[in-house]
Amino acid sequence: SQTIHQWPATLVQPVGSPLSLECTVEGTSNPNLYWYRQAAGRGLQLLFYSVGIGQISSEVPQNLSASRPQDRQFILSSKKLLLSDSGFYLCAWSNSARSYTFGSGTRLTVV
Amino acid sequence: KQEVTQIPAALSVPEGENLVLNCSFTDSAIYNLQWFRQDPGKGLTSLLLIQSSQREQTSGRLNASLDKSSGRSTLYIAASQPGDSATYLCAVNGGSNYKLTFGKGTLLTVNP
Repeated sequence: SQTIHQWPATLVQPVGSPLSLECTVEGTSNPNLYWYRQAAGRGLQLLFYSVGIGQISSEVPQNLSASRPQDRQFILSSKKLLLSDSGFYLCAWSNSARSYTFGSGTRLTVV
Repeated sequence: KQEVTQIPAALSVPEGENLVLNCSFTDSAIYNLQWFRQDPGKGLTSLLLIQSSQREQTSGRLNASLDKSSGRSTLYIAASQPGDSATYLCAVNGGSNYKLTFGKGTLLTVNP
């Protein structure tokens, strides 16, 4: 069966520090991968998606970047965090039927 | 640009009641529609997926319908239980891209 792992679960980082969130998928190959952010009162916003290794599409200009170094690994990064980067980050993958499965999320607080 | 609206924003019902959550979308050219459940501080759990060619899907006490031409979907929960308390999110998958567009959700509270 397919599973998705996302870590860490919570993170508190100072302004200006770097960020690296990791997501891995098991039990499938060549999945479409996504990073979403959920901010209070704003709903879920698509940040990045990837249809293959090294292929990244950005939906919203921002302080973040994404990379896909391996088929089932998706990384969200920042060189210098801003207060506005705080939020709940969710990784997801979709299959050929475009059914989405989400990870358990990372609560990021920038202080 | 696809926009998804969920009504009501919050709903409180007594245990055992049947209830309906509503979702509307502006662009009817969708690939599918997916209903999710989110518990506080947790990720999203998929409940039901309806392909654009389907009218409804059922899983246990849940039934989701889709009227693509009118841009509407409903999630029916039968015999609600306190464990059903959560935020329910509707998400639409566009026809030509991979993007899921979410509504802001309905916060459901089922009182024992």
